[in-house]
Amino acid sequence: DIQMTQSPSSLSASVGDRVTISCRASQSISRFLNWYQQIPGKAPKLLINGASSLQSGVPSRFSGSGSGTDFTLTISNLQPEDFATYYCQQSYGTPPWTFGQGTKVEIK
Amino acid sequence: QVQLVESGGGLVKPGGSLRLSCAASGFTFNDYYMSWIRQAPGKGLEWLAYISSRRTYTNYADSVKGRFTISRDNTKNSVYLQMNSLRAEDTAVYYCARRNSDNDDYYALDYWGQGSLVTV
Repeated sequence: DIQMTQSPSSLSASVGDRVTISCRASQSISRFLNWYQQIPGKAPKLLINGASSLQSGVPSRFSGSGSGTDFTLTISNLQPEDFATYYCQQSYGTPPWTFGQGTKVEIK
Repeated sequence: QVQLVESGGGLVKPGGSLRLSCAASGFTFNDYYMSWIRQAPGKGLEWLAYISSRRTYTNYADSVKGRFTISRDNTKNSVYLQMNSLRAEDTAVYYCARRNSDNDDYYALDYWGQGSLVTV
């Protein structure tokens, strides 16, 4: 199975900051990489698929990049509603479609 | 609008069984693959299973293979997860989710239910 490793596991940031979260796959997954946001007590929400394609309605301060094994989620101008846990997930080939362990973005 | 509503969760003893249901609305259900994902308390997300739109293909995580069965009834716009031989480590919130369209270049889980808590 493909393993997904996110870093850092948590970070503290202030409103207005630029935040970067990394995700690494154990083998090449082309651009089959998705990012989800989960607010405590809520279901995950798809933000980005195909490594960089923003879902409809997702603010443009969210962006994704990368291909192969290394990927990045960037949140520019962090807003109060962005404090949440973010998960990467690979959807390469047949399942299992594994998730990273998550990155919790907390208020500094 | 797309809605997914899980039901059937609850408290069950180790070794017991439970069947989760997920009722879908707001889209043409039989055009989409569906998945189940779970989240243990305070932990991350674990993909469990998926089923193709016409029920011809299923796939499972090793952690549940042989114990859990995913199925669907396209006449009822519903997907199910039959869970047998339950263990304490199966305690989690269980989510159903829709896989995006075959027309999309890259697959993802684009809509999720609110989750159903299973306690073993």
